[in-house]
Amino acid sequence: GAVVSQHPSWVICKSGTSVKIECRSLDFQATTMFWYRQFPKQSLMLMATSNEGSKATYEQGVEKDKFLINHASLTLSTLTVTSAHPEDSSFYICSARAPLAGGTDTQYFGPGTRLTVL
Amino acid sequence: QKEVEQNSGPLSVPEGAIASLNCTYSDRVSQSFFWYRQYSGKSPELIMSIYSNGDKEDGRFTAQLNKASQYVSLLIRDSQPSDSATYLCAVRNAGNMLTFGGGTRLMVKP
Repeated sequence: GAVVSQHPSWVICKSGTSVKIECRSLDFQATTMFWYRQFPKQSLMLMATSNEGSKATYEQGVEKDKFLINHASLTLSTLTVTSAHPEDSSFYICSARAPLAGGTDTQYFGPGTRLTVL
Repeated sequence: QKEVEQNSGPLSVPEGAIASLNCTYSDRVSQSFFWYRQYSGKSPELIMSIYSNGDKEDGRFTAQLNKASQYVSLLIRDSQPSDSATYLCAVRNAGNMLTFGGGTRLMVKP
């Protein structure tokens, strides 16, 4: 399957700082990438859909000024958590839309970034 | 009503048994269905896709789709403790977006 990487895999930061998470498609071009957040023992929550060369589409309740998404190339999307606070501590996972055999496509997930805000 | 529904579990089965995971969806025009496995603390990984009514087998995994009943399931034969994870059902909607169910936690006991 397609390979998606994320960096960093974990990060600890002080409250009030900003954190940037990178999501890369390694062996394919991804015109569409997705950012999810997952709290412990809860299901995936879609935060935003990122399309290359255009503004991200945010889900209801997700602050676009706090979670800045940039998808400047076909292989890279970044999520910046601005002025992070302890309640932003979570597991952030990106995924990229990639082709499957038979002419369809699906999403492949990156390994996730665990963010802890002190 | 949620678009994709799964029983959250946990579903507990003994080692060697068949685990049956179920998923229902609300959008009748959905055409593509996927099963992902998520180990604790890890991100989801794709394990099966199915597009046509009936069964699709891949090793110990069998996906079953019934579009008339809006029902998709995943059977795991000869369950192993290493199969213990949360299984996510995903359905592609008319807008070409994947909608995920909340996941079913499977526990395979030795």
